[in-house]
Amino acid sequence: AQKVTQAQTEISVVEKEDVTLDCVYETRDTTYYLFWYKQPPSGELVFLIRRNSFDEQNEISGRYSWNFQKSTSSFNFTITASQVVDSAVYFCALNTGNQFYFGTGTSLTVIP
Amino acid sequence: DTAVSQTPKYLVTQMGNDKSIKCEQNLGHDTMYWYKQDSKKFLKIMFSYNNKELIINETVPNRFSPKSPDKAHLNLHINSLELGDSAVYFCASSQGPGQRGELFFGEGSRLTVL
Repeated sequence: AQKVTQAQTEISVVEKEDVTLDCVYETRDTTYYLFWYKQPPSGELVFLIRRNSFDEQNEISGRYSWNFQKSTSSFNFTITASQVVDSAVYFCALNTGNQFYFGTGTSLTVIP
Repeated sequence: DTAVSQTPKYLVTQMGNDKSIKCEQNLGHDTMYWYKQDSKKFLKIMFSYNNKELIINETVPNRFSPKSPDKAHLNLHINSLELGDSAVYFCASSQGPGQRGELFFGEGSRLTVL
């Protein structure tokens, strides 16, 4: 069965703190893709990153970084020096075959 | 140009009415989806079409009927609306099964049933 777990329902941090959002996935497929999406208060779903199962290299994009570890089936997302504009709900997702499986989301609040 | 566009953005209606939401994508993608997001922000797949053919049909009341006139359009018709249908409905598209591209979402259509 395919499943994505985001155990952190809500996180609050003070501006400029670093924060890591956890994502654990389950699949028996050897080929799969992992994604992160951001949903700001305005409501749209914004694509952040895609990773395939054969590429375990970590990725950094500005203040955002992603740590993919197949050994622990995790795809964690870190925001460095958080800003108020980072306040949003973040979704982790798994794609195998036709289906996209979404986690329940982590609501991040960055306090000024 | 908006990649995935949905109309209307807001819908307020009475219980028992019928309503439709339209979706169009100009990305040339083969696969389109409808997702429902409830008040707790859970994103739940409802339907998926690949080249006008239904490929995913999750456990959704048969009051919900998707229609794909061509691969660039996927509309959602809802009959006999109920209070529990209040949610945000997102249309999305992707390159297609096996392509493993990301989902591109529309802006969402917020349905409120009174």
